[in-house]
Amino acid sequence: NAGVTQTPKFRVLKTGQSMTLLCAQDMNHEYMYWYRQDPGMGLRLIHYSVGEGTTAKGEVPDGYNVSRLKKQNFLLGLESAAPSQTSVYFCASRLVGSNQPQHFGDGTRLSIL
Amino acid sequence: KNEVEQSPQNLTAQEGEFITINCSYSVGISALHWLQQHPGGGIVSLFMLSSGKKKHGRLIATINIQEKHSSLHITASHPRDSAVYICAVRNTGNQFYFGTGTSLTVIP
Repeated sequence: NAGVTQTPKFRVLKTGQSMTLLCAQDMNHEYMYWYRQDPGMGLRLIHYSVGEGTTAKGEVPDGYNVSRLKKQNFLLGLESAAPSQTSVYFCASRLVGSNQPQHFGDGTRLSIL
Repeated sequence: KNEVEQSPQNLTAQEGEFITINCSYSVGISALHWLQQHPGGGIVSLFMLSSGKKKHGRLIATINIQEKHSSLHITASHPRDSAVYICAVRNTGNQFYFGTGTSLTVIP
């Protein structure tokens, strides 16, 4: 039982390049989330999903797209990377229910040059 | 706008001291979470509260819904407690809002 696994752990991109971050969970969780963490700021929600085939925008969705084709995977895409997207990205998942905690991945450190 | 405010931002304590970290929030919530972020970056959920008080080992979390305030207490602090502690609230939808964290250093 690996929990929440994020791939890759580190990546350096040039401005304008595209890439996809993968989040995989093996706990059969319905809800999945993508956050970014920047110095001096709390985690901010980019997009989230309440189930396979559904996604919704969070607090800072611009410049990102997501897909949840399979229940266990939640992909975060950057179509044209910008330096402002340099951040640490965290994925989280949880079961349905108001008393369920989030389980976090170890994060992906992304630098855009 | 900061839906969740934590204090203090930084805290240094001697081993064995009693520690309190505070969290105030401004939105209606269905639950409040306390998270621990290790120096390596991983985030672990410590507590989830919707009322009252919870205890796990040396950690105690309380919440006052009327005052929109929560506290995390660490008794008999230890250097291994050194981490960033994050308060997060879940609103009545499915979104979470996070505080900026309290960086705790416990000195032997």
